[in-house]
Amino acid sequence: NAGVTQTPKFRVLKTGQSMTLLCAQDMNHEYMYWYRQDPGMGLRLIHYSVGEGTTAKGEVPDGYNVSRLKKQNFLLGLESAAPSQTSVYFCASSPLGEVEDTQYFGPGTRLTVL
Amino acid sequence: LAKTTQPISMDSYEGQEVNITCSHNNIATNDYITWYQQFPSQGPRFIIQGYKTKVTNEVASLFIPADRKSSTLSLPRVSLSDTAVYYCLVGPPSGYNKLIFGAGTRLAVHP
Repeated sequence: NAGVTQTPKFRVLKTGQSMTLLCAQDMNHEYMYWYRQDPGMGLRLIHYSVGEGTTAKGEVPDGYNVSRLKKQNFLLGLESAAPSQTSVYFCASSPLGEVEDTQYFGPGTRLTVL
Repeated sequence: LAKTTQPISMDSYEGQEVNITCSHNNIATNDYITWYQQFPSQGPRFIIQGYKTKVTNEVASLFIPADRKSSTLSLPRVSLSDTAVYYCLVGPPSGYNKLIFGAGTRLAVHP
């Protein structure tokens, strides 16, 4: 069981470039999430998904798009990267989304936008 | 969602018991209290969860008083490897997918 994996681990972009972050989980979880974490701060929810083919906005969705075409994958896209999107991005998954089900986090992707 | 307040940082020494208190005055009736641990350059990891009274697992204990307006995470006999940021989260079952992570408590364990 690999758990939650994220690709890539590091990335440097120039302003205006686009990219896609991939999150994969092999635990057959229904719920998946994308967070960003800025230095010295907690995590903020960008988007989440309650199942294959469904997505919803979180706390800070602007500038990001997501897709959940397959249950095991959750993609986060930046269409036109901005320096304000420099952050560490974490993906997570949980089995049911009920409060008693914990979230399992990936190792993170460190993104720098110049 | 209930807002939580935790100390920004704490220091301890190896072998000591560490108690981190979280205030959540506006906790709702169906809210649960969950604690996560985050090491540098890693994603958060679930530690413990509770609704009321006391919960204990192999890692920590969680104490919740009757009014549930606060909770205390207790780490027995900490070691250097317990140096991390600890987050207290409060949320209802239906809103679990909208958990809000505050800044957390940065615990430094010294030799």
